[in-house]
Amino acid sequence: EVQLVESGGTVVRPGRSLRLSCTASGFIFDDFAMHWVRQAPGKGLEWVSGISWNSGHIDYADSVRGRLTISRDNAKNSLFLEMNSLTTEDTAFYYCAKDISSSSFNAFDFWGLGTLVTVSS
Amino acid sequence: DIQMTQSPSTLSASVGDRVTITCRASQRINDWLAWYQQKPGKAPKLLIYTASTLESGVPSRFSGSGSGTEFTLTISSLQPDDFATYYCQQYKSYPLTFGGGTKVEIK
Repeated sequence: EVQLVESGGTVVRPGRSLRLSCTASGFIFDDFAMHWVRQAPGKGLEWVSGISWNSGHIDYADSVRGRLTISRDNAKNSLFLEMNSLTTEDTAFYYCAKDISSSSFNAFDFWGLGTLVTVSS
Repeated sequence: DIQMTQSPSTLSASVGDRVTITCRASQRINDWLAWYQQKPGKAPKLLIYTASTLESGVPSRFSGSGSGTEFTLTISSLQPDDFATYYCQQYKSYPLTFGGGTKVEIK
């Protein structure tokens, strides 16, 4: 059974940093691209970032480029999102999602339950 | 960036109704489109990819069609479990983008 478990969400002050993690199981992690998708409370879905199986292809939404960094550790079946210079606009549930493909970015066939990041003074 | 526009934003329907949701892309995306279902407090669930391919385990009452810039998700006979919010997503180009969502409510 595929499982994606996010962690690291918390309340943080504007301008601070935070690191989210996602631990994967139930599939061959380094066979697939992975993504972070966020959803502000009561709002729609926003793709944040994606990373190919070997980290050779990485991309970001314009709203986070330069502040958020995606990475993965295939040996530990883990995906990460380093978040810097946080603003209130970053308040959201952050979902880890598995791509149906390995290198290009496509649809997401499995999602974690999400972790809540609240940026507030 | 490719903008995805869904209509309607809210839809009221009854069990047994045929329901159609439309998604329009601001540029041609061929058939690089997925549909997701999300229930309150839950993660999204993939229903359809490449515009019309049903994800494994998804009931056959769900179907997708379209190519280019206009796409539809159809539920042939709405069931109680189908009341949820539905999102389209394009993966023709980066950044990947979602539609604003269509909430299917009980009439």
